[in-house]
Amino acid sequence: NAGVTQTPKFQVLKTGQSMTLQCAQDMNHEYMSWYRQDPGMGLRLIHYSVGAGITDQGEVPNGYNVSRSTTEDFPLRLLSAAPSQTSVYFCASTRPRHTEAFFGQGTRLTVV
Amino acid sequence: TQLLEQSPQFLSIQEGENLTVYCNSSSVFSSLQWYRQEPGEGPVLLVTVVTGGEVKKLKRLTFQFGDARKDSSLHITAAQTGDTGLYLCAGGNAGNMLTFGGGTRLMVKP
Repeated sequence: NAGVTQTPKFQVLKTGQSMTLQCAQDMNHEYMSWYRQDPGMGLRLIHYSVGAGITDQGEVPNGYNVSRSTTEDFPLRLLSAAPSQTSVYFCASTRPRHTEAFFGQGTRLTVV
Repeated sequence: TQLLEQSPQFLSIQEGENLTVYCNSSSVFSSLQWYRQEPGEGPVLLVTVVTGGEVKKLKRLTFQFGDARKDSSLHITAAQTGDTGLYLCAGGNAGNMLTFGGGTRLMVKP
């Protein structure tokens, strides 16, 4: 069972570069989300989607874009990378009953 | 904004000791979950509690949901080195939104 698959696992970007973090789930969940995890800050919600074609902003959306063309895929785009976006990024797919989240392995992003 | 505060933030104990981690909020949640995260991995769901006063046991781990559904605790009996990791609580509400606590980093020394 694949669950939630994120790629890449590691990435180094130069300031100003753009990139897309990929996320795919095979559990047929409608709800998917992106978090960033920084030391001492816990998990902070960037963007989320309640179904194909529907996305919304979370707590820290600035500098990121998302789209949801299919139930399975929820990519996160960094438009112009900044050092403040150095973090570990997690994609999650949520089972609606009791809001239980299933996470990918994460992408460790460094912006230099 | 709903907030979840976890305490302690860090805990270092010897193998065989008992410990309790707390997760507190002023908000009511419809469900509360505990996750464990190991280095280089994503959080993994341990348990979900949904009823006020509910107690669930997972081997040496005991989870309790407060009567008012605003707080929870995780108790580990006779900790083992394999329990080392970051423990996160998360509260769920309508709309599938999750609010995460800041985490408790546990180190169990042999």
